[in-house]
Amino acid sequence: DVKVTQSSRYLVKRTGEKVFLECVQDMDHENMFWYRQDPGLGLRLIYFSYDVKMKEKGDIPEGYSVSREKKERFSLILESASTNQTSMYLCASSFPVQETQYFGPGTRLLVL
Amino acid sequence: SQQGEEDPQALSIQEGENATMNCSYKTSINNLQWYRQNSGRGLVHLILIRSNEREKHSGRLRVTLDTSKKSSSLLITASRAADTASYFCATATGTYKYIFGTGTRLKVLA
Repeated sequence: DVKVTQSSRYLVKRTGEKVFLECVQDMDHENMFWYRQDPGLGLRLIYFSYDVKMKEKGDIPEGYSVSREKKERFSLILESASTNQTSMYLCASSFPVQETQYFGPGTRLLVL
Repeated sequence: SQQGEEDPQALSIQEGENATMNCSYKTSINNLQWYRQNSGRGLVHLILIRSNEREKHSGRLRVTLDTSKKSSSLLITASRAADTASYFCATATGTYKYIFGTGTRLKVLA
């Protein structure tokens, strides 16, 4: 079975801090995604990566950056955390790109 | 309104009953997928139906797709308390993006 892990289940940070969220998948998938999930808004795509060092902006990339130095690892970076980035962050991987997505357990981030 | 809207937003049924939830979308799709999310957890893939398919089964799940109406339904038969979760549809439109709806919250009462 595909396993997608995320570095933290819960995270509390202060406004202005730099935040790193890490995601690792063990199935050699080329495609990895970062979403945020907010009540009433569903899942919104932040960034997508289709290969090492390759990325595409999603619907809400502002305030975020990503890094994919190895195929199995996709990191989401909040350069300067703000309270409106308090959310549930979900990582996913897939192969091929429009087929089944496999999700990690999520990281619930609170920015104070 | 966004592509991939589920209906109803919330559903409460007794154990053993069937649960039906619907998803509407706006643009052409390659496939439509249903996911389940238990409270505070990640999403789990349930079933994928392609645009040239009309119905698909997996265990107690039955999914239909009507591309002329741009809609899909998920039927869970003989529901159990463990089916309590949020259910999302996601449409794959031919790019790398999946469009997720806001979900149906299902509660199955024992």
